[in-house]
Amino acid sequence: DAKTTQPPSMDCAEGRAANLPCNHSTISGNEYVYWYRQIHSQGPQYIIHGLKNNETNEMASLIITEDRKSSTLILPHATLRDTAVYYCIVRVANSGYALNFGKGTSLLVTP
Amino acid sequence: KAGVTQTPRYLIKTRGQQVTLSCSPISGHRSVSWYQQTPGQGLQFLFEYFSETQRNKGNFPGRFSGRQFSNSRSEMNVSTLELGDSALYLCASTLETSRSEQFFGPGTRLTVL
Repeated sequence: DAKTTQPPSMDCAEGRAANLPCNHSTISGNEYVYWYRQIHSQGPQYIIHGLKNNETNEMASLIITEDRKSSTLILPHATLRDTAVYYCIVRVANSGYALNFGKGTSLLVTP
Repeated sequence: KAGVTQTPRYLIKTRGQQVTLSCSPISGHRSVSWYQQTPGQGLQFLFEYFSETQRNKGNFPGRFSGRQFSNSRSEMNVSTLELGDSALYLCASTLETSRSEQFFGPGTRLTVL
């Protein structure tokens, strides 16, 4: 699976949009971008995933650049409960479900 | 629908002992994966089972093993425990769909003394 690079930490004010970047410059054509988050002392939680088109669900939006070498997870109106470590993961679909989590970005949402 | 359950939630062992952790996936999920989380190494993939067969394996020594039963429940075993095996062990189950979302349990906190 392709390697990802994320900033180690970010801050965001409550109510503002949180934009979390991820670099995956070696991504292959059949690899998807997945985002998970882990709130302290809990198991990770799936957020969203995409291949090349932008995706949106009830939790977040995923913007993937046209060359697919980077992506941004957007939490449109961050709340204190969004404080967590966010992991950007690249994996090949239909090859089992093993996830390579990396270090992730620790997002702190402040009042 | 009940989530992924893991037992026990907390465990204390001494070096040299062995331990068995249990995971019950969400009903209908046939894939179960195990992960180890430590402050130093982060979240690392151990192995994945699907229909009682190991489908993927991470880079861990042979002291770490697992199995899956016909009801999709899974166990992992660590033999000859070392201090470095102290970690949070997470289990995740997946339904075979295009989304491939993994649902994680709360984990088992293992402390090796």
